[in-house]
Amino acid sequence: GAVVSQHPSWVICKSGTSVKIECRSLDFQATTMFWYRQFPKQSLMLMATSNEGSKATYEQGVEKDKFLINHASLTLSTLTVTSAHPEDSSFYICSARTSGRDTQYFGPGTRLTVL
Amino acid sequence: AQSVTQLDSHVSVSEGTPVLLRCNYSSSYSPSLFWYVQHPNKGLQLLLKYTSAATLVKGINGFEAEFKKSETSFHLTKPSAHMSDAAEYFCVVREGSARQLTFGSGTQLTVLP
Repeated sequence: GAVVSQHPSWVICKSGTSVKIECRSLDFQATTMFWYRQFPKQSLMLMATSNEGSKATYEQGVEKDKFLINHASLTLSTLTVTSAHPEDSSFYICSARTSGRDTQYFGPGTRLTVL
Repeated sequence: AQSVTQLDSHVSVSEGTPVLLRCNYSSSYSPSLFWYVQHPNKGLQLLLKYTSAATLVKGINGFEAEFKKSETSFHLTKPSAHMSDAAEYFCVVREGSARQLTFGSGTQLTVLP
């Protein structure tokens, strides 16, 4: 149980285009979802926290207009990287947690490469 | 504020020998502590967690960790390393009832044949 999926697993796009990444909880209701980014050989850095039906809370230094997060249902959150640039290339990982439980379950990640 | 320090960026052990991955934390409130493992290009898998119950926590794949408040440590151990244990390991802290996790910088474990 407690499986989180991400789609796509990898994506290559041209600079200036937008990319949408989906995060789904397959067998539980994700009341809270988290988005992280991980640069090569580095740790995960939290980008934003979203509660179902509410606006996301962004960490300091993360541009909310560039990284659009939508958490419209209890099983789906999306991260859209708008006007992507090469410096946005990274590994994006989502996690999900259900109400009353303290464990976050992580997705397999999405490798974004911006040319 | 919470923080976590993983003392070794790389650890190499021979197959069949013990594994020790070190982690120290800082937290103003009663912390929850976690160890996650990440295989290349894969998501994170929870190995074990401490949430104020028994201080010796047993996890999956033979791993365990001991919470030592006096030393503010939560070191990860395994009696006998297996080749499949080679991966990146992250020590993670969550303060009190906060939702946010703070990750350590990671320790790359290499298992030599």
